[in-house]
Amino acid sequence: SYELTQPPSVSVSPGQTASITCSGDKLGDTYACWYQQKPGQSPVLVISQDSRRPSGIPERFSGSNSGNTATLTISGTQAMDEADYYCQAWDSSTVIFGGGTKLTVL
Amino acid sequence: QVQLQESGPGLVKPSETLSLICTVSGFSISSGYYWGWIRQPPGKGLEWIGNIYHSGSTYSNPSLKSRLTISVDTSKNQFSLKLTSVTAADTAVYYCARHHTSGSYALDYWGQGTLVTVSS
Repeated sequence: SYELTQPPSVSVSPGQTASITCSGDKLGDTYACWYQQKPGQSPVLVISQDSRRPSGIPERFSGSNSGNTATLTISGTQAMDEADYYCQAWDSSTVIFGGGTKLTVL
Repeated sequence: QVQLQESGPGLVKPSETLSLICTVSGFSISSGYYWGWIRQPPGKGLEWIGNIYHSGSTYSNPSLKSRLTISVDTSKNQFSLKLTSVTAADTAVYYCARHHTSGSYALDYWGQGTLVTVSS
């Protein structure tokens, strides 16, 4: 079955750029999206179709997808961005989630 | 504004059936999109369960397919989940959400989630 692999944790200093990767076989041949989940809350879609920002998502969130890796980039990271982030793709008529990455802003 | 709300028992006994309903407001299920279920065991990541279109066509997680039924009631603007023969491994927060119908099939609106505990 298809798998998406994310680093368990990423740390970033306030104001710096955070990059979270999501790896899967030929992931660039399909679309990836990203969710942010804060403790006790439902996930929020922050990037769809590789790089589209839904309404209300700050411009500092961006995405890319090429080869075997999709990347979520947060520019000028703020303390409020500290959360778990999940990538997701569609493969063989099923939704696949990555294992999640805990972003720490310190 | 699209809103989803899960409802159902918070405690289910092992070997019994877990049943949840998702009520959608602010958008008609019959207007399109897929409607999905996702779960998250305590302290763990997200697991997709399956989805349904207003016509009744479904996609399911292969690992759950044998125990899973997802149905839709367009007259009530609701869709539901039934998972049979539950074990402690099915303990999780269960979310319902709206699915895009192309691209990454992203989930753009989510319910608040409901914790279901499987225990005797």
